[in-house]
Amino acid sequence: DAGITQSPRHKVTETGTPVTLRCHQTENHRYMYWYRQDPGHGLRLIHYSYGVKDTDKGEVSDGYSVSRSKTEDFLLTLESATSSQTSVYFCAISESGGSARELFFGEGSRLTVL
Amino acid sequence: AQSVTQPDIHITVSEGASLELRCNYSYGATPYLFWYVQSPGQGLQLLLKYFSGDTLVQGIKGFEAEFKRSQSSFNLRKPSVHWSDAAEYFCAVGSGTYKYIFGTGTRLKVLA
Repeated sequence: DAGITQSPRHKVTETGTPVTLRCHQTENHRYMYWYRQDPGHGLRLIHYSYGVKDTDKGEVSDGYSVSRSKTEDFLLTLESATSSQTSVYFCAISESGGSARELFFGEGSRLTVL
Repeated sequence: AQSVTQPDIHITVSEGASLELRCNYSYGATPYLFWYVQSPGQGLQLLLKYFSGDTLVQGIKGFEAEFKRSQSSFNLRKPSVHWSDAAEYFCAVGSGTYKYIFGTGTRLKVLA
């Protein structure tokens, strides 16, 4: 199994509070992604990174920011959580760029915003 | 617009029966196609992928999928389902640099 660790695995928070999810990888893969999974929507890309300090937006990036200061860590921040951000968040990594590459996924972080 | 459609939200089969999960895509160029499986509480795991060449691809756990360009389909099959195959299955298309489009998933239930 790919070495991907997401933390926290479960979090309950209140509307308006900031939340940071962490993804840590031990594979030294250059590319990292944050997805959210919601019933009826499959997986939707929030942000991705193609190197240290290199990030870009995905299809549902509003309300989220990311940072990548080290190859192994990719942080997803909700500056002011809303109930619509209640979801399961998955980090994924890939060895190189281009969508011909397999994605390896973490086990997910379940976030509930009350 | 690029899209992936999995028309079956839920499928129930008996253990030992054959299985086919449908996936249709809309993509202008030659697609990169994937099937992933997700067990409850887990992340997604790659079952198989198609990039080019032989249109019938073999994957892990006895799964196979056939790429049919004329039908824009990439259906997943297994000749004999095991109870441990109960999970959710996602079809995905590689859509340009760094981008993947996922279907909404098909949840498989296996009856003993």
